[in-house]
Amino acid sequence: NAGVTQTPKFRILKIGQSMTLQCAQDMNHNYMYWYRQDPGMGLKLIYYSVGAGITDKGEVPNGYNVSRSTTEDFPLRLELAAPSQTSVYFCASSTPDRHSGNTIYFGEGSWLTVV
Amino acid sequence: GQNIDQPTEMTATEGAIVQINCTYQTSGFNGLFWYQQHAGEAPTFLSYNVLDGLEEKGRFSSFLSRSKGYSYLLLKELQMKDSASYLCAVRDERAAGNKLTFGGGTRVLVKP
Repeated sequence: NAGVTQTPKFRILKIGQSMTLQCAQDMNHNYMYWYRQDPGMGLKLIYYSVGAGITDKGEVPNGYNVSRSTTEDFPLRLELAAPSQTSVYFCASSTPDRHSGNTIYFGEGSWLTVV
Repeated sequence: GQNIDQPTEMTATEGAIVQINCTYQTSGFNGLFWYQQHAGEAPTFLSYNVLDGLEEKGRFSSFLSRSKGYSYLLLKELQMKDSASYLCAVRDERAAGNKLTFGGGTRVLVKP
């Protein structure tokens, strides 16, 4: 029952460094997402994918990149970390299911601090 | 675009009832979701409404009025473990990839 798995759980980056947040799901879901959540706020969509080889921007894509080479994996890349990217990052997935309303399932989150 | 409003914070007493309201404006509507999020954890799915009316799941119920752009989440017989943030989210009917837009969340504090 792994569901959506994210790594790392916690990370501290220096300004200008790069890193990749890993995300994998084992539910054979077509759709995958990356959201960020700032303290006391709701979730903002960074990027999403409707299937392998297809990605698209969400509300707040600047400073990030993604790829979707397989159905299972959807890594998020930060190229030049900035303090404004300090946040909690959630990877999520879903699949068309009329009865559940295509419910989105979230990973446990990755806490990123840029100093 | 979409605009979703919900109160920032609510306080209630253990055993009582709390109603969390959510209003939304969207160019096309295709479902409203409620998620629960405990501090430091991921959001977990609570309920889904796509037609007008009340959906009941144990102590939690969710109501939708599409004509008013309004939903509420009702928590009954409050328990201490219900202290959490509750996120309202809307799906636009034209949204590719089944995307959800989230409100800012309502933090509910349950007191003894």
